[in-house]
Amino acid sequence: DSGVTQTPKHLITATGQRVTLRCSPRSGDLSVYWYQQSLDQGLQFLIQYYNGEERAKGNILERFSAQQFPDLHSELNLSSLELGDSALYFCASSVMDRADTQYFGPGTRLTVL
Amino acid sequence: AQSVTQPDIHITVSEGASLELRCNYSYGATPYLFWYVQSPGQGLQLLLKYFSGDTLVQGIKGFEAEFKRSQSSFNLRKPSVHWSDAAEYFCAVRNNDMRFGAGTRLTVKP
Repeated sequence: DSGVTQTPKHLITATGQRVTLRCSPRSGDLSVYWYQQSLDQGLQFLIQYYNGEERAKGNILERFSAQQFPDLHSELNLSSLELGDSALYFCASSVMDRADTQYFGPGTRLTVL
Repeated sequence: AQSVTQPDIHITVSEGASLELRCNYSYGATPYLFWYVQSPGQGLQLLLKYFSGDTLVQGIKGFEAEFKRSQSSFNLRKPSVHWSDAAEYFCAVRNNDMRFGAGTRLTVKP
């Protein structure tokens, strides 16, 4: 158990819909990272927040957005969902930034029908 | 741009045999290097990491990795594989963001 929690574990929705994935980092960790894992794209970095502020951006679509709240939990919002958005979405956290080790949550499996 | 290559998509070894998983990276400076393992339906677990110093890094579960600057490699090794090591292994490079290799799936034969 990494100490990172993600909810829900599974999510099934329809195309065009909007969903919110939630992540609680390990106690004391200030950075939160979001990743998408799919069969065709592999594991891809989406976005990082550090102490409430966006720190780095990866291959995140404009339909996706995230935020980190004052209590340091984070939410990833996915809108206008397409079939290709079906994937495992992981959250990771680290104490600080950059060189720090990231600890991964168990993931949320999103299925878009 | 930084990138990570894991040349082997799938490797099969017999239980008790030695293991080496290859990882090559492309980056201008010495990056931060990681190996993670993912069991089916699970998140990623950190096996080991290299930031600086001794180029031979010891990790959990009996794994080790060696950083070779001249070859831009960070190969993962284990002297004797156990059936429970069957999983997907990811090499990763970190600068501003984390880049993962495509993964190597390890099958262990009894």
